[in-house]
Order: sequence, then structure tokens, then C-alpha cells
Amino acid sequence: QKEVEQDPGPLSVPEGAIVSLNCTYSNSAFQYFMWYRQYSRKGPELLMYTYSSGNKEDGRFTAQVDKSSKYISLFIRDSQPSDSATYLCAGGTSYGKLTFGQGTILTVHP
Amino acid sequence: ETGVTQSPTHLIKTRGQQVTLRCSSQSGHNTVSWYQQALGQGPQFIFQYYREEENGRGNFPPRFSGLQFPNYSSELNVNALELDDSALYLCASSPGAAQSSYEQYFGPGTRLTVT
Repeated sequence: QKEVEQDPGPLSVPEGAIVSLNCTYSNSAFQYFMWYRQYSRKGPELLMYTYSSGNKEDGRFTAQVDKSSKYISLFIRDSQPSDSATYLCAGGTSYGKLTFGQGTILTVHP
Repeated sequence: ETGVTQSPTHLIKTRGQQVTLRCSSQSGHNTVSWYQQALGQGPQFIFQYYREEENGRGNFPPRFSGLQFPNYSSELNVNALELDDSALYLCASSPGAAQSSYEQYFGPGTRLTVT
């Protein structure tokens, strides 16, 4: 079993939709949870990170962590075509090793 | 503020050869991590360097080695290249002490093709 599982999609939504991206994890040692966005042929871009269970909001993005069920989510409100990318979730340990999911390919069409 | 830079952008090598990839960390960051990303997969942790010492290693063989320099830049060396080493190699830098280095910022990567 992979430490971080992520539905690869692809996910296609109309512009303006609310997007929900989800991951599950199995490693109880994860202390931090990250979301990255990766455009084609580019490096991952850090969107948000959270430390504890609960919600964290940044503009149109909300990250949610439920440690009891080992479930992490990213919600994108009012999605835009520029949000089309691969979204990667990751769990992090105390010394900074990040374990990534496979990534979900998102397309927002006008 | 300068972000993470990597060189070269692309590289083609033959099986059995050796390769060196380079990374300059973001200004003010003292920790560098290296990841391998195969096509259609998430990045996989290779190792991390803090204060010029290896500070954690993933499930990669010893032919993957690295260095960190006093200016915090870093190199990844891969010996005896295999076809499966073809991937995007990503460098990430992070601020603060190694124990708080989860906040990682990635460079654009080096795409290595082994033929």
C-alpha cells in the first residue's frame, strides 16, 4: 500500500465550479500536509500547507485535514482555466521528507 | 528574491554513464532536498542536505549521491545510469533548521533521458 493515495483523475470541470481534490494517507508519522500545483513541464509550486486537523483558507483555496480518518482535501472555489494543472498532495515528517501522491490532473474548461 | 534554479534543463545520457545535476537554493534557504519524478507519478524523495551533511535518504541505491556547498547550493550525482533513471529531477530548498524543513520550494527540474 502506498503511503499517500490520490485519484489520478483526470478531472474536468466547467469554469466557476467548486473543485474537490482528495488524498488518503497511511503513515501516522506525517505531521505536515502540503498541496502543490504543477503545470506541464514545470516544477511543483507550493499552494498551501497545514499542520493540524481542521481547515486552512487562502483566497479561493481551502485545505482540510482529518487526522482521525487520515484524509486530506483541497477545495478550489470559482475555478478558472488557469487552475488547469496537476495537483499533488504530500505528507511530511519532522525532518522534512515529503511523500507525494500520484497527482490529480485537473482541467477547467471555459 | 531569487527562486530555486537548476541546471541543465535537459540532458541525454547513455546507459552506464555518470551525470551531475546542479541546484541553487532560494535566497535565505539552508536546506536542499532532491526528488525524482517519473512520468505520471508524484516526486519521490532521494535525500536531503543540511549544513553540508546528508540529513535523510529515501529508497535509492548508493549510486545516487550528493553534495551541499557552503553557499547552500547542491549537486546530485548518479553513477552507472540505468534506463529507469530517466525522469525529471527536482531540487527543493527550505528555510530554517532541517527539523522544520517541510516548507519546500521546488525548482523547474532537470529532465534526464537515459538511452
